[in-house]
Amino acid sequence: NAGVTQTPKFQVLKTGQSMTLQCAQDMNHNSMYWYRQDPGMGLRLIYYSASEGTTDKGEVPNGYNVSRLNKREFSLRLESAAPSQTSVYFCASRGTVYGYTFGSGTRLTVV
Amino acid sequence: GQQLNQSPQSMFIQEGEDVSMNCTSSSIFNTWLWYKQDPGEGPVLLIALYKAGELTSNGRLTAQFGITRKDSFLNISASIPSDVGIYFCAGQPRGGATNKLIFGTGTLLAVQP
Repeated sequence: NAGVTQTPKFQVLKTGQSMTLQCAQDMNHNSMYWYRQDPGMGLRLIYYSASEGTTDKGEVPNGYNVSRLNKREFSLRLESAAPSQTSVYFCASRGTVYGYTFGSGTRLTVV
Repeated sequence: GQQLNQSPQSMFIQEGEDVSMNCTSSSIFNTWLWYKQDPGEGPVLLIALYKAGELTSNGRLTAQFGITRKDSFLNISASIPSDVGIYFCAGQPRGGATNKLIFGTGTLLAVQP
């Protein structure tokens, strides 16, 4: 009954460091998404995966890479973190209806 | 990219008051959704609307799919402190990819007891 699980919940990085945000869903959903949330900007799509084995760029993909490891897992990687990537990151998944199920978020600060 | 215009940006109300917020687009949408985000959590789906003119309720919440298919409205009646959070509209544009939603910028709701 976990839904969408994101790890870590909090992270502080130095400029130039790399890290991977992990996301896993246990609802057998085909589609998975990574969003970032910034004050006044709403939710902006970074990358998405319509099904296992496929990934596509969203609205703000620069500086990020993704991997759809299997149907359950969709990871987001920052190769060289920048202060502009300080944000709250949400993973979501979608099954056969339109609504998304979101994780509880990863709060990332790049100093 | 395409965005939804959501208003108001923020609301500060007294407990017991009714709340109205709306979302508009310059293009036609096939589906409208309303989400609530509690502090420190991810958004949670409140109501989904699938056809023009549809009016759907979920407890004290009522949402409508606008007749023009370019807008949607959310009303909260008799607000309580736990209504605090950010409310997002989201939609599936006509002709867009069926697996991607467009989100509004959110309405921050504060309720004073």
